[in-house]
Parts: sequence; C-alpha cells; structure tokens
Amino acid sequence: KNEVEQSPQNLTAQEGEFITINCSYSVGISALHWLQQHPGGGIVSLFMLSSGKKKHGRLIATINIQEKHSSLHITASHPRDSAVYICAVSGSGAGSYQLTFGKGTKLSVIP
Amino acid sequence: DAGITQSPRYKITETGRQVTLMCHQTWSHSYMFWYRQDLGHGLRLIYYSAAADITDKGEVPDGYVVSRSKTENFPLTLESATRSQTSVYFCASSDRVGGSPLHFGNGTRLTVT
Repeated sequence: KNEVEQSPQNLTAQEGEFITINCSYSVGISALHWLQQHPGGGIVSLFMLSSGKKKHGRLIATINIQEKHSSLHITASHPRDSAVYICAVSGSGAGSYQLTFGKGTKLSVIP
Repeated sequence: DAGITQSPRYKITETGRQVTLMCHQTWSHSYMFWYRQDLGHGLRLIYYSAAADITDKGEVPDGYVVSRSKTENFPLTLESATRSQTSVYFCASSDRVGGSPLHFGNGTRLTVT
C-alpha cells in the first residue's frame, strides 16, 4: 500500500506570503491529486497531475516522479486560502481506483 | 443543478439503528465512491462502484452495505449503527479512475449515540 506523507501538518502564514506544502509517497502512481477543504465544508479538487507542473491562478502544483514528491505552492496568500490541503495518489494498473490520502495540511493565513 | 448531492447533511441516530446516506450525481459518471473522514486517519475508502450493479469493498467496509441500481445513485447503509461509525461521510464521483479529478459531495456528518 502506498504511504502518503504531507508536511507540514500545520502552517500559519501572514497575508501575502509565499506558501509551500509538500507531499511524498512511497510507491509509483498513475496520478496525484491536490484537494482543498474549508472548515465545515466540502472537498474541492484543485489539481490532478501525473508529471511536470500545473498552474491555476495563484496556485501552482509540481510533481517529481523520480523523487516521488509533489509540492503545492500558493503565491500572495490570502485569508480565504485558509483551509486544509490534502494530497492523494492514485495507484497504477488494477489499483488505480484506490486513492490513498495524506492526513492533510491545515493552513491559516492571518491578515 | 448539476453536481453531486448528499443527504442528509447531518444525522443523529442511536446504536443499533439502520441508517441510509444518500448520494446523487448528475454527470453520469461511471465511478462513485464512499469515504469516511476521521481525525488522525484522513479519508478512507469504504466502498466504490465502477458502474451500475458493480460494487466492491474498499479499505474499511465492515458494517456498511451499498447498492447501485442506477448510475446516478449510490446509497450507503449502516445496517446496525455503532458509535465507531460516528464520522463525516463523503461521496465522490469520477468519469475515469485514476486519470480524472474526483468530485465530492458536501458530506454527511453522522453521530451515533
């Protein structure tokens, strides 16, 4: 089974700061997902990537397949970015239906 | 409205009662999933379905039953609720496994007393 580790577990930042959240996994994957969960809210898919880099607004996700590592960056952070960010990986082949989730990184952005 | 809808949003029930959580999606996605989210464990897969009438167990299936007679609906039943099943339950759907984003419902917070 894939092991997914996120760091840090908790992160407090000042508004405007550049933020990085890291995710590492132990076994080869078909795709990696970054999800966002606001307090008391549902879960939204931010990115799905299998190689390289993707950008959406102030959010950037990168993945290094050889290193089994992904990062989520937030530029010019804002209090509305405060949420839990979850990394999840899809297995390859017959196990691709099974997502393995990290435990999440709780981000608080202070005005 | 297009999307994935869970009901109820909140449910309190007693130990031993049967409870059914509903999930409905309007995209005609083939794959549907039930997860539970608990502090310290993250999200864990209970059951999934690859198509109507095809379901399979996930990581933590004990005490749960699912059915999928129609593509758009994927109800989760707790046959005899236990306190350990107190959790937040999320339904999700995807049109392809592994290679496409998951779309999540807003969750059902279930408390078993």
